[in-house]
Amino acid sequence: EDKVVQSPLSLVVHEGDTVTLNCSYEVTNFRSLLWYKQEKKAPTFLFMLTSSGIEKKSGRLSSILDKKELFSILNITATQTGDSAVYLCAVEPSAYSGAGSYQLTFGKGTKLSVIP
Amino acid sequence: KAGVTQTPRYLIKTRGQQVTLSCSPISGHRSVSWYQQTPGQGLQFLFEYFSETQRNKGNFPGRFSGRQFSNSRSEMNVSTLELGDSALYLCASSNPAGLQETQYFGPGTRLLVL
Repeated sequence: EDKVVQSPLSLVVHEGDTVTLNCSYEVTNFRSLLWYKQEKKAPTFLFMLTSSGIEKKSGRLSSILDKKELFSILNITATQTGDSAVYLCAVEPSAYSGAGSYQLTFGKGTKLSVIP
Repeated sequence: KAGVTQTPRYLIKTRGQQVTLSCSPISGHRSVSWYQQTPGQGLQFLFEYFSETQRNKGNFPGRFSGRQFSNSRSEMNVSTLELGDSALYLCASSNPAGLQETQYFGPGTRLLVL
């Protein structure tokens, strides 16, 4: 059974701090790992990682995947109050055809609170 | 491009009733997946439809079912509602033909079972 474990479960930081969120996984026939941000609504897509060691960046957010050790981290630098949200990590197995199976397994999420 | 839409946004039902939720994917997306989100279990996969066929199914009882229409719109049905079915139900659409394509989520339907 596919499994995703995120840590920490919750985190409180001050504006301007840098945070690192962790995601470890076990999945049969790995295809990709995804990060989502969820405020009080639908999860919004942040990153998709398929290759080991290649950092994906978007502004103050960055993420990297280690396929050998089966984990990923999400970094947020110079945090702002608008970064307060639940950050979800999910893994996507590969279908027999090698394409996505669209059956994501999610971790429980890390709740980040950024205080002014 | 319009996003994924779900109706209704909020719903209150009583135990034993049944409910139908609707999802319209992003235009051109042919895969629709459904997820249940609860505080205790997090986001859990229910099922995925592609071209009107169920391709994948999660570990949920048979009371949970779905279907997809020829225009890719999807519905999910929960029969004989239980208190534990209270949750946020999220629909996500994808374009299987796209490379590095991910799932885009709708705003969800919040179901409360009394």
